[in-house]
Amino acid sequence: DAGVIQSPRHEVTEMGQEVTLRCKPISGHDYLFWYRQTMMRGLELLIYFNNNVPIDDSGMPEDRFSAKMPNASFSTLKIQPSEPRDSAVYFCASSLDSGGGDTQYFGPGTRLTVL
Amino acid sequence: AQSVTQPDIHITVSEGASLELRCNYSYGATPYLFWYVQSPGQGLQLLLKYFSGDTLVQGIKGFEAEFKRSQSSFNLRKPSVHWSDAAEYFCAVGDLFGNEKLTFGTGTRLTIIP
Repeated sequence: DAGVIQSPRHEVTEMGQEVTLRCKPISGHDYLFWYRQTMMRGLELLIYFNNNVPIDDSGMPEDRFSAKMPNASFSTLKIQPSEPRDSAVYFCASSLDSGGGDTQYFGPGTRLTVL
Repeated sequence: AQSVTQPDIHITVSEGASLELRCNYSYGATPYLFWYVQSPGQGLQLLLKYFSGDTLVQGIKGFEAEFKRSQSSFNLRKPSVHWSDAAEYFCAVGDLFGNEKLTFGTGTRLTIIP
């Protein structure tokens, strides 16, 4: 398996623009997680899905952020409108569902810069 | 609620020296415990994990970790570090029942000097 795939790897945009980050989880995995990593706040869980259904979005910072998982092989994280404080590395991870404690496999991340 | 504390933000070790990275957790029962490593510009990779049984867990790249219930700790060790071990290390705790959510510590950045 190719692992978790994220695109784009780098994104530079201007304040106010819409940004869409994409993730393809490992085939057969039931859980998908979106994280944000910054120097100031470390690694934060934004939202996670189980079988394409959002389970916990309490980490989503505000309404400008939205995430979808239309099918088992694809998820998006959208920021509209983007702001400079959204600049961060965004990671997607996936795992199996065997009742707890499974390894999360991380993608390489998308480095977002909002000017 | 579960939580993880990594008290050392940054550690510098000489190549060939031994290493110990500290991790303390807070959880109501014996949790799932993980150590992940993040090399510069990359995602996180699992080093090792503990569920139950033997409290000394072996991982990849020569790392090991010991679960100590009495101290609520899960420290990561390596007897002799290599320059390629320079990275950020994250300890995480998972929920014993049900969901797959992990709570990560703030990380320890490891620098290796020749």
